[in-house]
Amino acid sequence: AQSVAQPEDQVNVAEGNPLTVKCTYSVSGNPYLFWYVQYPNRGLQFLLKYITGDNLVKGSYGFEAEFNKSQTSFHLKKPSALVSDSALYFCAVERNNFNKFYFGSGTKLNVKP
Amino acid sequence: DAGVTQSPTHLIKTRGQQVTLRCSPKSGHDTVSWYQQALGQGPQFIFQYYEEEERQRGNFPDRFSGHQFPNYSSELNVNALLLGDSALYLCASSLGERGADTQYFGPGTRLTVL
Repeated sequence: AQSVAQPEDQVNVAEGNPLTVKCTYSVSGNPYLFWYVQYPNRGLQFLLKYITGDNLVKGSYGFEAEFNKSQTSFHLKKPSALVSDSALYFCAVERNNFNKFYFGSGTKLNVKP
Repeated sequence: DAGVTQSPTHLIKTRGQQVTLRCSPKSGHDTVSWYQQALGQGPQFIFQYYEEEERQRGNFPDRFSGHQFPNYSSELNVNALLLGDSALYLCASSLGERGADTQYFGPGTRLTVL
């Protein structure tokens, strides 16, 4: 069965510090991995995705994520957090060519000034 | 370029009623997926439509049905509403039914069942 785990319900970080939001996955076959962000009362906004190639993926708003096949992880990172990054972050996995997304439970990121 | 739009924004129904939610995909997209997001949880895949047919389905009962029109817009219908159907319903569009395509989400419809 396909699944995604986001082990932290909440991550707190000070503005200007680096941030990491963790994601691990379980999927048969080659995974397609995605990160989305959700602001209050809004839909999900696409940040970045890994399909194939370079394990380090760069996305919107300075975010990046590293695909680690041996650890089945796809952690989201940013070198310097902004208060405006505070939101709910979702990791999603798609089994190769099935176009059906499985989402994690979400991690609330709090960036304090 | 219009993104994904959904209507209505909010909806209040009572148990046993039926509801229809609507979605217009992003311009140029031909595939529509529907998700249910309960409070405090991640989105759960309901089903996906491509070429006016249901192509993929998640673990949802037959009370949940849908339709895709020739202009690629879509409807989600839920019959015999239960309290547990209260959630944010998200529509996402993409290009083609194959994988790796980024899904773009609409703002959602908040359904409350009393």
